[in-house]
Parts: sequence; structure tokens; C-alpha cells
Amino acid sequence: DGGITQSPKYLFRKEGQNVTLSCEQNLNHDAMYWYRQDPGQGLRLIYYSQIVNDFQKGDIAEGYSVSREKKESFPLTVTSAQKNPTAFYLCASSNPDSRRYEQYFGPGTRLTVT
Amino acid sequence: GQNIDQPTEMTATEGAIVQINCTYQTSGFNGLFWYQQHAGEAPTFLSYNVLDGLEEKGRFSSFLSRSKGYSYLLLKELQMKDSASYLCAVRDGSWGKLQFGAGTQVVVTP
Repeated sequence: DGGITQSPKYLFRKEGQNVTLSCEQNLNHDAMYWYRQDPGQGLRLIYYSQIVNDFQKGDIAEGYSVSREKKESFPLTVTSAQKNPTAFYLCASSNPDSRRYEQYFGPGTRLTVT
Repeated sequence: GQNIDQPTEMTATEGAIVQINCTYQTSGFNGLFWYQQHAGEAPTFLSYNVLDGLEEKGRFSSFLSRSKGYSYLLLKELQMKDSASYLCAVRDGSWGKLQFGAGTQVVVTP
């Protein structure tokens, strides 16, 4: 079955610690994205990558970092510089060969920092 | 700047029809998506409009007017499982990046 996996589903960390969220896809998609979702708000774009070894900042990149060393993987690191890291994080991918560029989402990771 | 507006919440009765409006002002336009998101889960694709008019898919239909910067999602014969948040998103560039609205929470009552 093709899809996007994110692990773990729930993650707890102490303030001041960096934490890395994993995102893996086997859809053979070139483009991948990271979003943050807070209660009552839509999805806000953190980082995106159109192709391996390339990525760009989204609307709220401060305090986050990413890497794209493999087509299948796009991990997100939430650093201690992120002021309000507690949120629901969603990873997505899309196929540039599709006319719609429809995004497929992973199940999400709920991060709680105390 | 980018602006995508949709109502915060709508309530409707099982079996009824609900229309969720979305207005947008974006720097470009290359298609509008509707996604459904149940609480704590991933958004799932519902519909895509790039040309003016109505797209129908079973109980769900989506309409687009590019000149008015307006779309709606119509949910017919509402079922309890339709209780979810519905997200409007606009592709404003030449490839996949989307701008999302805040979502409309639909509550279906018996």
C-alpha cells in the first residue's frame, strides 16, 4: 500500500530540547511539505521541498529545520528556538506530474512540549 | 497578501444540505481544493476546481467562480460521519504549494 507515514503519533518533550519528527512516503512523489496546525486555525506551511537536496522556507520556518537527503524522507526538527512548539504537525507530498498537484497527507504527529 | 475566508462553524440536521462558502484573495490562482479533516486525523481530498462551474461527486459538489474569488462546497443528504472540519485551499503558483483557510467545522445533529 502506498502512503505517507509519520511517527510517532504522540510525542512529549521538555522545553529546551530539540526533537525530530519523521516523515516517509512511498508514493514516489518529488514534492514534500511540512505543516503546523493549531486549534481553530488552518494549516500553516513550515518548509517544503520540490526535489531531493533542495528545500525552501514556508510561512513560519523560524525555529524549525529540515533535510531532504532521500526522495522518500523529509524529517522536521523542532529546535529549542521555536517559541510555541506544541502543535499538530502534518507532512504531505504531491506529484508534479499530476495536473492537480493534489497533496496527500500523513496521519500527523501531536507534539507536546512542557 | 493572501487571504482565504470561510465560516468557523455550521450546524445542520442529518439528511439536510449544507453549503460551505470560501472566498479568496491570492496573488495567483491555479486551482482550489476542498479537504475533509476529522478531529486528530489527516486531511483527505474531496474536490478540485480550476475552471468556473460545478463539479459533482456523489453527495458532495464544489463550485468555483474565479472572477468573484469564490467557491462553495455543497454537502447533500448529510450523515453523522460528515461531522468534520472542511478546509478550503488555493494553489496560487505554478506547482504544488497551497494556501489554506482556517477550516469550517460542520456539526451534524440527529
